[in-house]
Amino acid sequence: EPEVTQTPSHQVTQMGQEVILRCVPISNHLYFYWYRQILGQKVEFLVSFYNNEISEKSEIFDDQFSVERPDGSNFTLKIRSTKLEDSAMYFCASSEVSTGVIGNTIYFGEGSWLTVV
Amino acid sequence: SQKIEQNSEALNIQEGKTATLTCNYTNYSPAYLQWYRQDPGRGPVFLLLIRENEKEKRKERLKVTFDTTLKQSLFHITASQPADSATYLCALDNNAGNMLTFGGGTRLMVKP
Repeated sequence: EPEVTQTPSHQVTQMGQEVILRCVPISNHLYFYWYRQILGQKVEFLVSFYNNEISEKSEIFDDQFSVERPDGSNFTLKIRSTKLEDSAMYFCASSEVSTGVIGNTIYFGEGSWLTVV
Repeated sequence: SQKIEQNSEALNIQEGKTATLTCNYTNYSPAYLQWYRQDPGRGPVFLLLIRENEKEKRKERLKVTFDTTLKQSLFHITASQPADSATYLCALDNNAGNMLTFGGGTRLMVKP
């Protein structure tokens, strides 16, 4: 079973510090996503990425967030200056085609738990 | 605004019974609806997708119904097992095909 892998599994950072969360999507997938889940709350969409550019982003994904596909395998989420309210589980996901294609499956990684202190 | 609502109270059932979970939505016209399973501290795992023109979809012990008039989907697990204990999420696509909006999930506890 192919899987999306994420690192680190857990990171603690000081408020105001930059954080980079890393993801290796499934190899033949073309669509990449970041979602987050604050403890006890809903899974929330952050951003989708296709063909080396952002295709959709939510209100949460403000100027302090950025995504990058620095090489052929990695997909990263950078938080430039972390705030306490950024503490959450961050999930990377990938899909072969867009979620609009009927029958498409989106695969989630196991998440990176970010704690901002 | 668009909303997806699931019963936030945990559902406790006895092993062997059928679990039924509900997902209601407003201000959406989805082409399809998805159901995911999430275990504590883990990522969501895709279970089933049902299209707007499908009334019912089955996969092993899972059954999903979709009523676009009521704007509701029901998710059934028959012959439930303790291993089915998890949080179940419904999700809708934004029709542009590049983002999912999730409901808050319903936690299912199956007791032996």
